[in-house]
Amino acid sequence: KAGVTQTPRYLIKTRGQQVTLSCSPISGHRSVSWYQQTPGQGLQFLFEYFSETQRNKGNFPGRFSGRQFSNSRSEMNVSTLELGDSALYLCASSYLAGGPINEQFFGPGTRLTVL
Amino acid sequence: KNEVEQSPQNLTAQEGEFITINCSYSVGISALHWLQQHPGGGIVSLFMLSSGKKKHGRLIATINIQEKHSSLHITASHPRDSAVYICAVRAQRGSTLGRLYFGRGTQLTVWP
Repeated sequence: KAGVTQTPRYLIKTRGQQVTLSCSPISGHRSVSWYQQTPGQGLQFLFEYFSETQRNKGNFPGRFSGRQFSNSRSEMNVSTLELGDSALYLCASSYLAGGPINEQFFGPGTRLTVL
Repeated sequence: KNEVEQSPQNLTAQEGEFITINCSYSVGISALHWLQQHPGGGIVSLFMLSSGKKKHGRLIATINIQEKHSSLHITASHPRDSAVYICAVRAQRGSTLGRLYFGRGTQLTVWP
């Protein structure tokens, strides 16, 4: 069974631009969670989607948004990029919604650099 | 102030040494998790704890709910244990019910 895949793996953008990251969950998983990881703040929860609905959201500004498609694939979008948005963005999938983190399978992440 | 504090931030050990990583938290929790992150970003879950102690191979995790503290121990450390270890807690009540909080991680390097 293929794992969680994220595209692209690396991305360089400039301030003010917008970016879209993609996550394909493990086949059969309907829940996708997104996390941001920075050296200063560590890992932080962004949001969780289940069956195309956002179930939970972390404390991030409205510039961060996401969606989930009927095939469970998910995208997250960051508009008006700021330097502080440079981070590793991780996606994790699980079978059930709100599943404990030990039941989540993580992708390799997308490394975003904002110049 | 971070709801989850880990120490040390960086840890270097010689192969075979006994390793301890500490995690303290300030919120009421329903569960605590220890995660391992290898270079390249991939994260795997090592333990989920709500009380007591768990052991898996050379790894041992303990939690003291009253003191709001957990430790991850690695016995007979090996270079392949080199990774970032992250403590995460799931909040138990109130407006933060179900929210996940993460420590900033401990970078462990084990030399042969």
